Amino acid sequence: DVKVTQSSRYLVKRTGEKVFLECVQDMDHENMFWYRQDPGLGLRLIYFSYDVKMKEKGDIPEGYSVSREKKERFSLILESASTNQTSMYLCASSPGTGVEAFFGQGTRLTVV
Amino acid sequence: RKEVEQDPGPFNVPEGATVAFNCTYSNSASQSFFWYRQDCRKEPKLLMSVYSSGNEDGRFTAQLNRASQYISLLIRDSKLSDSATYLCVVKRFQKLVFGTGTRLLVSP
Repeated sequence: DVKVTQSSRYLVKRTGEKVFLECVQDMDHENMFWYRQDPGLGLRLIYFSYDVKMKEKGDIPEGYSVSREKKERFSLILESASTNQTSMYLCASSPGTGVEAFFGQGTRLTVV
Repeated sequence: RKEVEQDPGPFNVPEGATVAFNCTYSNSASQSFFWYRQDCRKEPKLLMSVYSSGNEDGRFTAQLNRASQYISLLIRDSKLSDSATYLCVVKRFQKLVFGTGTRLLVSP
């Protein structure tokens, strides 16, 4: 079974803190994605990566950055957390074009 | 306009009913199409891929109309366990774009 693991299920951070969300997949997938999910807005793509050290902006990259130093790991960084970044963050991976993506269990981040 | 549009619902149906969800997408370069299911407070999981020829998996039938840029999901003989949010997803190159989801509530 494909496994996508996110480092935390729940996280509470203060405004202005630097926040790291980690995601690891164990199936040697090329593509990895970070989404946030908010009520009424659905899943919105923040960043994705199709190879090590490669990244592409999604629809809402502002306030976020990413890092992919190893194929199995894709990190989302909030440089200076703000309350409007309170959300559910979902990481996903997929092996390539035309096939399904597998999701991690999600990280519910609250910024106070 | 959103790239993938779905009716948010909720659709309230009794057990045994047949229910259909629709989805439209705006980018004709979209290459692959999927329906995902998401239970409350859980991650999305693939329900089925969608092909132009139409495809069926048990009680679920999915259809794609590329000319109209329209995707559908039909659920027959609804079960209580079908209650969930159904997400329409299109893939364009490596990018996955999600609709906001349609909520289904199946009642006894």
